[in-house]
Order: sequence, then structure tokens, then C-alpha cells
Amino acid sequence: QVQLVQSGAEVKKTGASVKVSCKASGYTFTSYSMHWVRQAPGQGLEWMGIINPSGGRTTYAQKFQGRVTMTSDTSTSTVYMELSSLRSEDTAVYYCARQHSDFWGQGTLVTVSS
Amino acid sequence: QTVVTQEPSLTVSPGGTVTLTCASSTGAVTSGYYPNWLQQKLGQAPRALIYSTTNKHSWTPARFSGSLLGGKAALTLSGVQPEDEAEYYCLLYYSGVWVFGGGTKLTVL
Repeated sequence: QVQLVQSGAEVKKTGASVKVSCKASGYTFTSYSMHWVRQAPGQGLEWMGIINPSGGRTTYAQKFQGRVTMTSDTSTSTVYMELSSLRSEDTAVYYCARQHSDFWGQGTLVTVSS
Repeated sequence: QTVVTQEPSLTVSPGGTVTLTCASSTGAVTSGYYPNWLQQKLGQAPRALIYSTTNKHSWTPARFSGSLLGGKAALTLSGVQPEDEAEYYCLLYYSGVWVFGGGTKLTVL
């Protein structure tokens, strides 16, 4: 069965970077792109970008351009999302979601404080 | 900046029928935006219900259906159950970019 398992919660200082992982199983990893979505406390869903694990092509939301980097490792069927220059507004649950939004990771809480 | 608009909240009685809608600031929503509907319960990850306007996943209960209605995407719940109380998000594709609606909080009362 398809599973997306994300890394654990993170606490970071303002200005630092965070790297969240999403390990896929149960399907051919390179056949589906992966999206990253975040959700601030009490807020809605916000799309961050997409990566095609076959070749590594990425498209980022304009809001995160210059601060986000998405990468993939086909040897471990894992995608990564790194967000830099963290500020308090980046406190959120970060999700990976498979290409057609059919499967989602369990979410990773990132807390940013000074 | 594309904006996708949903009703902020709706209330329905158990056993009743309710329709949630999803509008685009760019004009009428068509099948070319591949409307998706997601359900999210408190403290949980989103769960996909409907894809490409009308298609259900294998786990989607039969009481959920998707359509296009008056230039909007729509999600109809027929025979609402107490466990359907949740936040519902629509998701539209704009040339490979996802845009989410703000969500509809559905209360079953």
C-alpha cells in the first residue's frame, strides 16, 4: 500500500533552516511528482511547490522562491523540502502529497521561535 | 494572484444533504482545472475524496459526489453522517500549480 512517512517535529530559531523528509513506499517512486503543502495553526492549506523525482525538476510557489529547495533521492525513495531564513510565520505543519493529491504524509510540525 | 473561494461554514442536519462550492477568481471553474476535494478532521492530515471533478477514490463513501454547478466546482454530501463533520478543501490546478480554497467548516447538528 502507498505510504508517505515524514520526519519528526522540529524546533528552530529565527533565521535558521529546516529540512523535512518524506519517504515513499508502495509505488514506483519516479512515476509520480511530489507536492509540499503547509498549514499554519488554525489556518488553511498553502501550496509550496512540486518536485519530479525523475530528473529533479522543481516548481516553487512565488511566495517561497529563493527560500525553499526541494530535492529527491531515488536510492531511498525520499523527497526533501528545505526552508531557509525561518521566521515565526513559518511555524506550521508541513505535508508532502503525491502528485494527484491522493496520498498525503502524516505531517511534520515545524516550530520557529526566537 | 489567483484566489479560490469556498463558503466559510455550513451547517447540516444528520441525514440531510448539503452542497459545498468552489469558485475561481479567474472565471468559471471547468474540468480543465481538475477540481479535487479533500476532507480534514481536527489534528489529522487531509484525506482525498474527489479528483478530476467527479471521480471518487476507492475509499470515498458513496454519499460524497463531485460536479460542476453554475461555473463552480461542487461537492455534495447526501445522507450526511455525524462523522462527516470536518473541514473541506477544494483544490484547483492552474498549469501545474495547486491553489487551495480557504476551506469550508461543515457542522453536523
